[in-house]
Parts: sequence; C-alpha cells; structure tokens
Amino acid sequence: AQSVAQPEDQVNVAEGNPLTVKCTYSVSGNPYLFWYVQYPNRGLQFLLKYITGDNLVKGSYGFEAEFNKSQTSFHLKKPSALVSDSALYFCAVRPYSGNTPLVFGKGTRLSVIA
Amino acid sequence: EAQVTQNPRYLITVTGKKLTVTCSQNMNHEYMSWYRQDPGLGLRQIYYSMNVEVTDKGDVPEGYKVSRKEKRNFPLILESPSPNQTSLYFCASSLSTSGGGSPWWSYEQYFGPGTRLTVT
Repeated sequence: AQSVAQPEDQVNVAEGNPLTVKCTYSVSGNPYLFWYVQYPNRGLQFLLKYITGDNLVKGSYGFEAEFNKSQTSFHLKKPSALVSDSALYFCAVRPYSGNTPLVFGKGTRLSVIA
Repeated sequence: EAQVTQNPRYLITVTGKKLTVTCSQNMNHEYMSWYRQDPGLGLRQIYYSMNVEVTDKGDVPEGYKVSRKEKRNFPLILESPSPNQTSLYFCASSLSTSGGGSPWWSYEQYFGPGTRLTVT
C-alpha cells in the first residue's frame, strides 16, 4: 500500500528566505505526486504535480518541487518565502498502475515570519 | 466560476440525529469524493464516485452513506452520527476520463471549502 511521510509538523522561515517542505513516499512502481495547500478556513488548493518527465516541476505562486526517484522524495521549495505563504501543506501520492485512493501525508504547517 | 460548494459550513448536532452534508460541483466532473481531515492524520477518503449511480468505499467508510443521483451532486449522509465523527469534511471532484496520454488518476482534484461537524 502506498504511503506519504511529511517528517516536519511545522516549518518556520523568515520572509525572503528560501523554504523547503519535505515529503517522502512509498508506492509500488512509479508515482503520481501532488502538493496541495490549505489556507485558514479554506479547502485544499492544488499547487503542482509530477507525472513524468522533468524532475523539477513548477507550480502556482512561485512554488516548485523536485522529484528524486532514488530517495523517493518530492520536496516542495520556493526561493523566497512570503508571509502570505503561511498555510498547511499536504503531499499526496497515487501509483501509476491504477485507480487507488489518493493518499495524503499528515500535513506540514508553514509559518513565514516577517 | 468553477467551484465545489458544500453546505452547511458548520454544524453542531447530537448523537444519533441523522444529517446530510451536501456537495455540488459545476465543472461537469465525473469523479467526486469525500474526505475527512483530523489533526495528525491528514485527509482520509470516506467514499468516492466515478459517475452517476457508481459509488465505492474509501479508507474510512464506516458510519457514512453516499448517493450519486445527479452528476453535479454527491451528498454525504450520517444516519446516526457519533462523537468520533466530529471532524472537518471535504468534498472534491475531478475528471475521470483519461485524455492527452495521462490516465485520469493523474488529474488534480478540486476541493470544496469544508464542513466542520461537531457531534456531542
């Protein structure tokens, strides 16, 4: 069965500094990987996904993520954090092979401090 | 505006009193799903539907029912709510017709704003 680990419950970063939110996954075969963001009192919004091809995926709001097959990781990054990036971030995975539920990590709360 | 709507947004009820949370999407999506979000557990799928009259269990279906009589609507029914169903619930939708070389399960999902349910 597939699983996702987000090892940090909370990440704090100063505004203007680069940010990284970590995600590792376990899945049979190749994965489809997703990042979603949840702002306070809002539903989840799609940020980006990896399907195939270039390991560096660019998404909304200046975010990007790097797929690393050997390390089974899909870390979310942004070169310069904004206070408005403060939110709860979820990594999710589904296997290439078929129709199984999208499995989410537990979420990482990002706090960007001015 | 493309969106998924849920009602109510907040609900406090008592054990055993049947309730329904509605979900509607205006994107003509075939796939719809219900999740619950609990602290430290992330999102877990309750039920999903591939299309009208086609529903199936997710990871945590116990105590819930769903129906899909129309493509746009996917209500979540709690026939006899219990305190362990206190949670934040999200409805989501996506296409489920593969195209452009990618299977439909590679598509992103669109989420509603959430329904915070408290069962006392």
